[in-house]
Amino acid sequence: TQLLKQSPQFLSIQEGENLTVYCNSSSVFSSLQWYRQEPGEGPVLLVTVVTGGEVKKLKRLTFQFGDARKDSSLHITAAQTGDTGLYLCAGGAGGSYIPTFGRGTSLIVHP
Amino acid sequence: SQTIHQWPATLVQPVGSPLSLECTVEGTSNPNLYWYRQAAGRGLQLLFYSVGIGQISSEVPQNLSASRPQDRQFILSSKKLLLSDSGFYLCAWGFRANYGYTFGSGTRLTVV
Repeated sequence: TQLLKQSPQFLSIQEGENLTVYCNSSSVFSSLQWYRQEPGEGPVLLVTVVTGGEVKKLKRLTFQFGDARKDSSLHITAAQTGDTGLYLCAGGAGGSYIPTFGRGTSLIVHP
Repeated sequence: SQTIHQWPATLVQPVGSPLSLECTVEGTSNPNLYWYRQAAGRGLQLLFYSVGIGQISSEVPQNLSASRPQDRQFILSSKKLLLSDSGFYLCAWGFRANYGYTFGSGTRLTVV
């Protein structure tokens, strides 16, 4: 069974701070996705990374896929209250129909 | 564009009552469909997935069942709810794990 471990589990910061959350596995994934989920809503796909070492930017969010495709990070610059939510990573393996989800990092950004 | 509809948004049901949650997808054909349950704002537990009409795979044995009567319709059911069935239920569609998934807005089920 492929597992994805996310860290930290909880993060509480002030507006304007920078932060990084991590998603790690002992298994190789052919792709990795990051989702953000707001309370009472379904997760929303933010990005998919597929190439080892790939870096993608989405405004203040920077996503990186590890060279060995076993880990990924999400960096947020100058966090805003609107960034508050649960960040989930999910890995895809080859032609699998079933993604492997991490348990998420719960981020609270205080004004 | 593709959209996914899930209803109801909230549901309060007594123990022992039946359950039917419905999910429909628009704008795509032959999607893979999924039912997840999420406890206390944490990770997602895959309950069922379907790769085609009438094809259901169960990941977790329990008193829930799923059906796919039409290509873009996925239904989660129970004949008799348990207290432990309370949770946040999410429907999702996609094609391959590599491409990511689109989730519905979820159903908050409280069994009392």
